[in-house]
Amino acid sequence: DAGVTQSPTHLIKTRGQQVTLRCSPKSGHDTVSWYQQALGQGPQFIFQYYEEEERQRGNFPDRFSGHQFPNYSSELNVNALLLGDSALYLCASSPQGWGEQYFGPGTRLTVT
Amino acid sequence: EDQVTQSPEALRLQEGESSSLNCSYTVSGLRGLFWYRQDPGKGPEFLFTLYSAGEEKEKERLKATLTKKESFLHITAPKPEDSATYLCAVEQAGTALIFGKGTTLSVSS
Repeated sequence: DAGVTQSPTHLIKTRGQQVTLRCSPKSGHDTVSWYQQALGQGPQFIFQYYEEEERQRGNFPDRFSGHQFPNYSSELNVNALLLGDSALYLCASSPQGWGEQYFGPGTRLTVT
Repeated sequence: EDQVTQSPEALRLQEGESSSLNCSYTVSGLRGLFWYRQDPGKGPEFLFTLYSAGEEKEKERLKATLTKKESFLHITAPKPEDSATYLCAVEQAGTALIFGKGTTLSVSS
């Protein structure tokens, strides 16, 4: 049984560009949450998707947007990249909401 | 403001030297407290969920306990492979997980 998968593993972008990160949840999970983790910090919640809708959002600007597909996979889009957006982006899946979340390996985004 | 604080930030142990990591929280209406292990450059790996004060859970050399204001992760006779960052997160009713900054554990042989 495959766990949570994310792509790409690493990404280097230039300030002002746009990026799309992808996530496939663990089998049987229908809820996907995205987190941003800066170096030396705990993960910070960006938003959560359930039934193809954004159910909850953390304190992140509108430059961060997402989508969930009928097969429960999800995308995170970040527009107008800033240097401060450099971080490890984590996707987590869970069965119906919060509770135990299972994380993917993350995508390391570097903005230059 | 709701907050999760982990201490110490870093901990160095000799192999076999038992110790405890602390996670204190100031959220209201706790629905669950979670412990994760994170290796460098990787995603957090789920360890335990605790739901009510007095609850304890064990897995190999790790034991997690919960009181009304804090949780402890006890590590008994650690081995070098236990070296990692341990993250604590709390869930309130209907809200996102709030993570602490983690404790980085280094176990030397």
